Amino acid sequence: AQTVTQSQPEMSVQEAETVTLSCTYDTSESDYYLFWYKQPPSRQMILVIRQEAYKQQNATENRFSVNFQKAAKSFSLKISDSQLGDAAMYFCASHLQGGSEKLVFGKGTKLTVNP
Amino acid sequence: DAGVTQSPTHLIKTRGQHVTLRCSPISGHKSVSWYQQVLGQGPQFIFQYYEKEERGRGNFPDRFSARQFPNYSSELNVNALLLGDSALYLCASSLLPGYSEQYFGPGTRLTVT
Repeated sequence: AQTVTQSQPEMSVQEAETVTLSCTYDTSESDYYLFWYKQPPSRQMILVIRQEAYKQQNATENRFSVNFQKAAKSFSLKISDSQLGDAAMYFCASHLQGGSEKLVFGKGTKLTVNP
Repeated sequence: DAGVTQSPTHLIKTRGQHVTLRCSPISGHKSVSWYQQVLGQGPQFIFQYYEKEERGRGNFPDRFSARQFPNYSSELNVNALLLGDSALYLCASSLLPGYSEQYFGPGTRLTVT
């Protein structure tokens, strides 16, 4: 069974600074995908970034990057040059490659951005 | 292009009643999944449908059922509502199952009184 753990219920960052959100996961599979989703107060779950487990290179999307440590089963999200619009709940999620679309989510980290 | 749409936005029901939630996927997407998100928690997987066939089911009672139509839209039905069914119900679509990102709709907020 897959599990995803986010150990930081809340984090805060100053505007323009950098923040890292932590995520660990557990799976016995070798092929899987990892995702970070953002959920602002509007409730819409928005895909931030995706990482394929077989790729050693860390994914990057503009100001968002991940630190993927497969052996340690760690998948952290770094947000650089934080903006007020980055304030939201952030969820780490995983699903198995080739399987059903079942995404397994962590409990989320609430990010506050201070002006 | 329109994203995933869900209706209704909000719904209030009484214990024991039945509810139907609707989802229209992104154009061209053939896979639809449903999730339940209780306040303060991450979403929990309920169902996945692809080409009108159930491809996956989460740990939910038989009171929960779903179906997918030929146009790939989907319905989630919940019978004999309990207070604990109060949650945000999210629908997600993807191009193909198992290999691609899922795109979420805005959700339906269900309150059971």
